[in-house]
Amino acid sequence: KQEVTQIPAALSVPEGENLVLNCSFTDSAIYNLQWFRQDPGKGLTSLLLIQSSQREQTSGRLNASLDKSSGRSTLYIAASQPGDSATYLCAPSNDYKLSFGAGTTVTVRA
Amino acid sequence: DAGITQSPRHKVTETGTPVTLRCHQTENHRYMYWYRQDPGHGLRLIHYSYGVKDTDKGEVSDGYSVSRSKTEDFLLTLESATSSQTSVYFCAISEGGGPAVFGPGTRLTVL
Repeated sequence: KQEVTQIPAALSVPEGENLVLNCSFTDSAIYNLQWFRQDPGKGLTSLLLIQSSQREQTSGRLNASLDKSSGRSTLYIAASQPGDSATYLCAPSNDYKLSFGAGTTVTVRA
Repeated sequence: DAGITQSPRHKVTETGTPVTLRCHQTENHRYMYWYRQDPGHGLRLIHYSYGVKDTDKGEVSDGYSVSRSKTEDFLLTLESATSSQTSVYFCAISEGGGPAVFGPGTRLTVL
């Protein structure tokens, strides 16, 4: 069974600071890994998808890295803004099924 | 955004009653999933489907059944709802290997 851990559980930073969100998973036989954002009371919004053969994926201010062999992924958010405040979820995929961590709740202070 | 809807969006029911939640997609994706999200547990897979009439259990399938008679619809049924099934239910779709897209969720309260 895939176990996903996200550290830290919560993070509060001043606007403009770079964010580093960590995700580790126990089963490295993943097909891909996806990062999501969830706002309070809302659904999940996909941010980035990294295929297992990739090391990195970028979208705007977001960059995600993947070290499949060590079971780790990191999401970097550059120059954070108050609008980045949300819970971020990491989800590796095994056999096309996603497993989720508990998430990192980010607060960006203006 | 991918076309995925869930109905109803909110439901309050009583213990022991049957409940059916519907997920509808317009993307013709092969895979469909039902997750529940609870504080302290995160998102957990209930059941999933890899084609019409092809379904399998997830990690928290007890008390739930599913059906998929058409590519676009995936139904989740609680045969006899219990208070422990109070949760937010999310449907998701994917084309196997591509990004998963989640629906808006259904908030279910079992009294």
